[in-house]
Amino acid sequence: DAGITQSPRYKITETGRQVTLMCHQTWSHSYMFWYRQDLGHGLRLIYYSAAADITDKGEVPDGYVVSRSKTENFPLTLESATRSQTSVYFCASKGAGGADTQYFGPGTRLTVL
Amino acid sequence: GQNIDQPTEMTATEGAIVQINCTYQTSGFNGLFWYQQHAGEAPTFLSYNVLDGLEEKGRFSSFLSRSKGYSYLLLKELQMKDSASYLCASSNDYKLSFGAGTTVTVRA
Repeated sequence: DAGITQSPRYKITETGRQVTLMCHQTWSHSYMFWYRQDLGHGLRLIYYSAAADITDKGEVPDGYVVSRSKTENFPLTLESATRSQTSVYFCASKGAGGADTQYFGPGTRLTVL
Repeated sequence: GQNIDQPTEMTATEGAIVQINCTYQTSGFNGLFWYQQHAGEAPTFLSYNVLDGLEEKGRFSSFLSRSKGYSYLLLKELQMKDSASYLCASSNDYKLSFGAGTTVTVRA
């Protein structure tokens, strides 16, 4: 099916471990985004990518790493997970037009113990 | 920087009308999005305003005043399924900055 998918949907890990969250879209959208959503803060942008091999920091990038070797994939890695990174993570994508809508994946609920 | 304010919670009765206000102070403003998010689900697109005025889409309408940094989302003929969080987001250089969201509870 076309669309945007995330895996895993749920993840429990321990402090200090490396975790990678996957995001895949089938629309060939230029832009991809990673957000985290926490109570009281709404959606906050972690990293975004304008095209393959082009990434940039968002509002809260510390502790996260991204890559985009292919247009359709945009993995997010927590190099050494901390409890403060417990959150719901959403991936989104949009076309190249300024007014194009961002479409969100189903989210990954990450718990760091 | 981006500063977007919207009320935290609103409650209304089935069949009524609710207006969710959003004020923003952002640099490089391109337009204003509204998203709906049901509990445990992803945000879904509702509306986009780039010019001043009202955009109507069935039971939902959205208004924008660029000079005042103000938008609202109007939900008419409320239904129980409209119970959700509504997110206001300003668009700037292809990125979105979101408000914290307004949780709307529809009562029978």
